[in-house]
Amino acid sequence: QKEVEQDPGPLSVPEGAIVSLNCTYSNSAFQYFMWYRQYSRKGPELLMYTYSSGNKEDGRFTAQVDKSSKYISLFIRDSQPSDSATYLCAILNAGGTSYGKLTFGQGTILTVHP
Amino acid sequence: NAGVTQTPKFQVLKTGQSMTLQCAQDMNHNSMYWYRQDPGMGLRLIYYSASEGTTDKGEVPNGYNVSRLNKREFSLRLESAAPSQTSVYFCAGGENTEAFFGQGTRLTVV
Repeated sequence: QKEVEQDPGPLSVPEGAIVSLNCTYSNSAFQYFMWYRQYSRKGPELLMYTYSSGNKEDGRFTAQVDKSSKYISLFIRDSQPSDSATYLCAILNAGGTSYGKLTFGQGTILTVHP
Repeated sequence: NAGVTQTPKFQVLKTGQSMTLQCAQDMNHNSMYWYRQDPGMGLRLIYYSASEGTTDKGEVPNGYNVSRLNKREFSLRLESAAPSQTSVYFCAGGENTEAFFGQGTRLTVV
């Protein structure tokens, strides 16, 4: 079983739609939960991170973590064509024998069309 | 301030050849990583180094070796390249909540 599972999509939505991206993870030792965005032929860049259950909001983006069910989500409100990219969830192991291990999901390809 | 620099950007190898991918970071980060990215597979961790002097295997270490030469540099070596190692390779450096990625190396093994 992969440590982080993410639906690869692809996902195509109209401009203005609410987008929901989801991941599940298996290791309870994970401490930091992140979302990265990757544009074509570029390296990933951090979008948001959180370390606790609950919601964290940044503009049109909301990251949600449910540690009890090992589920993380990213919501994008009022989606724009410029949001078209691959979104990757990532989890950092901040303790134990795998300290510092940063594991990514498969990535979801999102297209927002005008 | 270049961040994370990978060399080369592109490389074509013949099956059985060896090569080393270089990575250097100027952000003084303790952790460094090597990933490969294939269509539909996301970023798969090859090796990582949580601090200078330590290296650990990730999900897909077979066929690769790494060296954390110092705090700045983390190299990835393919001893005998195989077509299955055709991929885009990313190096990253990070601390706790954020990893910074290089531009990637597109490697083709024929």
